[in-house]
Amino acid sequence: EDQVTQSPEALRLQEGESSSLNCSYTVSGLRGLFWYRQDPGKGPEFLFTLYSAGEEKEKERLKATLTKKESFLHITAPKPEDSATYLCAVLLGSARQLTFGSGTQLTVLP
Amino acid sequence: DSGVTQTPKHLITATGQRVTLRCSPRSGDLSVYWYQQSLDQGLQFLIQYYNGEERAKGNILERFSAQQFPDLHSELNLSSLELGDSALYFCASSVQEGNTIYFGEGSWLTVV
Repeated sequence: EDQVTQSPEALRLQEGESSSLNCSYTVSGLRGLFWYRQDPGKGPEFLFTLYSAGEEKEKERLKATLTKKESFLHITAPKPEDSATYLCAVLLGSARQLTFGSGTQLTVLP
Repeated sequence: DSGVTQTPKHLITATGQRVTLRCSPRSGDLSVYWYQQSLDQGLQFLIQYYNGEERAKGNILERFSAQQFPDLHSELNLSSLELGDSALYFCASSVQEGNTIYFGEGSWLTVV
């Protein structure tokens, strides 16, 4: 059973069209939730870490929020350079390493 | 630039061969992680070291092995290579276990 599920798998937006990406996790004991951006053929680039429900973090056009069972990555007025795969990862229970979701491939059209 | 350095960036080798991928973590980071990313799969955790000691194993094949040296750099050894081993191999590091991890740019392995 997948511990981390991201939706949608792919999202196409027009430039300026705001939207949200979802990351839900099915196992209790969340110690941290992490968002990364990955460009094709590149290493994932760290964006945010969230530790507790209600926490929010922002960076430029991106805002990450966390509830008890899911996280959202809100993208406000996206630009074509925001096109990338956005990965969510969780640190659960006694695990020492992150478990990654399969990502949302975002395409922003000019 | 995350500060994590991986070499080589690209590698093409034949089936049955053995390769070694190298990783230098960010300065001050004690924990090193190896991940595999194939074209049709997400990031798969392979193995983790902390200050030279193996701490966690994921979906790592018996043909693969890794180690972390006293200077904290790490190597991932892949042997008896098969076509299906073709993938991007990422190294990541963190200050402590469970902290934010930072990824290198990866080593592209193509097995022909």
